Amino acid sequence: GAVVSQHPSWVICKSGTSVKIECRSLDFQATTMFWYRQFPKQSLMLMATSNEGSKATYEQGVEKDKFLINHASLTLSTLTVTSAHPEDSSFYICSARSGWRRWTTQYFGPGTRLLVL
Amino acid sequence: KQEVTQIPAALSVPEGENLVLNCSFTDSAIYNLQWFRQDPGKGLTSLLLIQSSQREQTSGRLNASLDKSSGRSTLYIAASQPGDSATYLCAVPNGETSGSRLTFGEGTQLTVNP
Repeated sequence: GAVVSQHPSWVICKSGTSVKIECRSLDFQATTMFWYRQFPKQSLMLMATSNEGSKATYEQGVEKDKFLINHASLTLSTLTVTSAHPEDSSFYICSARSGWRRWTTQYFGPGTRLLVL
Repeated sequence: KQEVTQIPAALSVPEGENLVLNCSFTDSAIYNLQWFRQDPGKGLTSLLLIQSSQREQTSGRLNASLDKSSGRSTLYIAASQPGDSATYLCAVPNGETSGSRLTFGEGTQLTVNP
């Protein structure tokens, strides 16, 4: 099956710093990538949808200036958490899909655990 | 707004039991429904995808059914094994756009005891 990787797998940073998380589709071209956040004991919440070559669409309540998303190529999307604070500590998961058909499945990355001190 | 609910939130069974996980959704106008498995601290693994025109899908010991009209799906796991221990999530795409953003349920945390 299709493989999606994330880097780094975990990161610890000081409050106020920025953290960049990469999401790569390894063996297919991802026209659309999704970024999710998961707090402990909770389900995944969609943060934003990014289509290659265009601006990301953010879900209500997600600050686009704080969570910068770049989808510059068909195999790479990045999420930058700017000026991270302890409340941003979470598990960030990306997914990728190929093509535009609604029934195409999404393939999920292994996640990145962020801890902001 | 689509809401997805999973029951039970947690389940602990002895090895070998057959079990059923439930998922319900409020808006029956879905294109498909997907079941995922998530191991602790890990990403998601897709288990089964059921299209809206289908009633069930099978993969090995897993069988998922879909009843759109009643807004329900069930995941049946036969002859459970300790390796099946994980959190199981169901999700439906929402919206008319081709992006098909997924709405997830809260998950059922399954523990299969040897």
